[in-house]
Amino acid sequence: NAGVTQTPKFRVLKTGQSMTLLCAQDMNHEYMYWYRQDPGMGLRLIHYSVGEGTTAKGEVPDGYNVSRLKKQNFLLGLESAAPSQTSVYFCASSTHNGLSTEAFFGQGTRLTVV
Amino acid sequence: AQRVTQPEKLLSVFKGAPVELKCNYSYSGSPELFWYVQYSRQRLQLLLRHISRESIKGFTADLNKGETSFHLKKPFAQEEDSAMYYCALRAGGGSEKLVFGKGTKLTVNP
Repeated sequence: NAGVTQTPKFRVLKTGQSMTLLCAQDMNHEYMYWYRQDPGMGLRLIHYSVGEGTTAKGEVPDGYNVSRLKKQNFLLGLESAAPSQTSVYFCASSTHNGLSTEAFFGQGTRLTVV
Repeated sequence: AQRVTQPEKLLSVFKGAPVELKCNYSYSGSPELFWYVQYSRQRLQLLLRHISRESIKGFTADLNKGETSFHLKKPFAQEEDSAMYYCALRAGGGSEKLVFGKGTKLTVNP
């Protein structure tokens, strides 16, 4: 049972380069989220999706784009990376079981932009 | 807008002492509140949710709508409780937006 898997685990980018982070979940969850974790800032929501083909902006969406073409995948794109985007990125998925929700997290992607 | 505030970045207690991690929120609707924990080198995971009114690993949290708080408490801290704790709020009404506080790093000293 893989749960939530993020690819890659580590990456170093040069300023201006682009990349895509992949999040895959095998739990048939409707909702998926991308966060960034920075020291002293906690987890900040970048974008999220409530279903296949839908996305919404979170707290810090600038500089990022997302797509949810398939229910199980949620992609986070950086078109032109900047040093300020150096962070640890976490993906999460959840569903509503009629009573409550629980978010399941990936292992994180450590991104460094030089 | 949803907002979660955890006023303490760091909290240090001795083993066996009581611990309380504070969480306040602002949201105009009826929120769903959670505590998530991240142990060293592990994934973030759910600790407890207000709707279940449960006790997990000795931790409890009560939603106080009047004070808009959801503080996490444990009467006797253990060394294995050392971790990063995040309070989170999920908006209702179909939004499904899930936001987190900045986290509190708890250290339980022997």
